[in-house]
Amino acid sequence: GDSVTQMEGPVTLSEEAFLTINCTYTATGYPSLFWYVQYPGEGLQLLLKATKADDKGSNKGFEATYRKETTSFHLEKGSVQVSDSAVYFCARSEGSNYQLIWGAGTKLIIKP
Amino acid sequence: NAGVTQTPKFRILKIGQSMTLQCTQDMNHNYMYWYRQDPGMGLKLIYYSVGAGITDKGEVPNGYNVSRSTTEDFPLRLELAAPSQTSVYFCASRTSMGGEQFFGPGTRLTVL
Repeated sequence: GDSVTQMEGPVTLSEEAFLTINCTYTATGYPSLFWYVQYPGEGLQLLLKATKADDKGSNKGFEATYRKETTSFHLEKGSVQVSDSAVYFCARSEGSNYQLIWGAGTKLIIKP
Repeated sequence: NAGVTQTPKFRILKIGQSMTLQCTQDMNHNYMYWYRQDPGMGLKLIYYSVGAGITDKGEVPNGYNVSRSTTEDFPLRLELAAPSQTSVYFCASRTSMGGEQFFGPGTRLTVL
């Protein structure tokens, strides 16, 4: 069935390292794509989004490009900080009621 | 604006007890959602509402009920708590336009 698949975590990096978290999706049509971030003890908050093919979402140094040909929306950041430690969720929209289908989340740990 | 608020933050229930998780949003959003998040998993949609008086089942509705008498409030009711309902519950809302959902801080529920 339709789904969102993220790379398994935890992902552990040193400060200032380059980050990639992979996300691929299956869907009929052309959904909108999202990355949400969940800091410890908090709810989810939108990090970035893209609504059509080749769109690039960006926020706080994070970027992701909507790749229709590979059905992917990988999250990248050039230089991570300890404060980026969190769980990152990839999601896509579904249906006219714009429900979201979620990936399992990827825990990111940044060491000083 | 307070955004999306949820009460309580934590709760422990015994098997068979009932409780209501409260969710309120002050952004005048039509769409509201209830999710559960199990450890290491993504979010699963329990119920959603597209406006006052209108609710519909999500992916995992069994054991839960909802009502939407006002735009602001969307309570989730557990009638006969079971250990399988141990989870973190998130409420979210969004406008009719666009896909971004705004999340509350969550309720951590343990059923023993």
